[in-house]
Order: sequence, then C-alpha cells, then structure tokens
Amino acid sequence: DAGVIQSPRHEVTEMGQEVTLRCKPISGHDYLFWYRQTMMRGLELLIYFNNNVPIDDSGMPEDRFSAKMPNASFSTLKIQPSEPRDSAVYFCASSFGSFDNYGYTFGSGTRLTVV
Amino acid sequence: ILNVEQSPQSLHVQEGDSTNFTCSFPSSNFYALHWYRWETAKSPEALFVMTLNGDEKKKGRISATLNTKEGYSYLYIKGSQPEDSATYLCASRSGNTPLVFGKGTRLSVIA
Repeated sequence: DAGVIQSPRHEVTEMGQEVTLRCKPISGHDYLFWYRQTMMRGLELLIYFNNNVPIDDSGMPEDRFSAKMPNASFSTLKIQPSEPRDSAVYFCASSFGSFDNYGYTFGSGTRLTVV
Repeated sequence: ILNVEQSPQSLHVQEGDSTNFTCSFPSSNFYALHWYRWETAKSPEALFVMTLNGDEKKKGRISATLNTKEGYSYLYIKGSQPEDSATYLCASRSGNTPLVFGKGTRLSVIA
C-alpha cells in the first residue's frame, strides 16, 4: 500500500483565492482525519469522517473551511476565501476501526502559504 | 476539552545517553494513549498504542509505560543515537473521541 496520499505537497496562493487540499486514505481504513499543524497550537483536529460521514467538525475554524468525503478513497479540504492566517501544514490521517491497534497513518502533509 | 501536556519541550543529549520524556493527560474516561515519532520533513509515524493501566511497550531501544490512574506516560530511549533525533508526539483518546495531540518533545542527539 502506498500509504495516505496527500496533494499538493506545497501550495502558495494569494489571499482571497480558493484552495483545495486532497487526500486518499489507505484502502480499508474507515476513519479519516484532517489535522492542521502550527507552531503555536501544534496538531489540532479540524474534522473527521467515519465511513465517509462527517462525525465532528467542531474544529473547523470558521465557515471559510469545508470538507467532503464523497467516497471511501477520497477527501477534500477547501478554504474559500483563503487568508494569511490559514498558512500551516495540513495533514490527513486514516485509521481502521476504533480499536487503536495500530494508530493513525499520516500523509506527508500539504504546506499551505497564503500571501 | 482534553488537554495533553508534554515535557520537556525540547531536549539535547549526547550520543549514548539514555533519556526520557513525559506525557500527561486527563485520567477520567481514558481510552487510549499513542506515541508518534516525527522526523523533520516527514509525517508522524506511530510508535506505540497503549490502552491498559500498567502497559509497557518496547521497540528496540525505545520503550513506553502507561499509568491511566494518575494520567501519565513515559517514553524512554536507551543509548540515544543521532538517528533518534525527532519530535516525539503523545496523543490521548477519551471515550469515543479522536486523538488529541500534545505539542511534542523535540529531541536532538549530538554525536
């Protein structure tokens, strides 16, 4: 398995533009998580899905952020309009079940810079 | 909101030294404790997942212990090597909630 695949690896955009981050989880994993990494706050959970259904989006900063999981192999995180304070590394992670046998598998992250 | 604290924030040790870090978490309604190793420019990788009070896990020179009653876990590295340099993340689950991560301990091993 190629692991959790995120794209793009780096994104530089201008303030006000729409940004879409993509994630392909490990096949067979039924949980998908979106995290944001910043120096100040560390890794913070934005939203997570179970069997493609959003379970908790209370970590999404504001209405400018939205996430979808149209099928078991694809998820997107969209920011519209983007702002400089959105600059961070965004990680997608997936896991199998809720038994915590193996932990989460993280993607390589997308480094977003909004100028 | 679950609060996971790690200490120290950073640590510099000489090659060959043994070291340990602490993770503290709320003990009420505990479900699981994870440790991850995060090398620069890579993604976090799971080291250990522990669920039972008194659990001890070991992988090579790295080991971890868990005390769910008092809400802490220790990660130990025996005979540190330069390749152990990384950020070590601790994360805890309470009930059926997803993992909440601490801010990590950044370890630098000097040859």
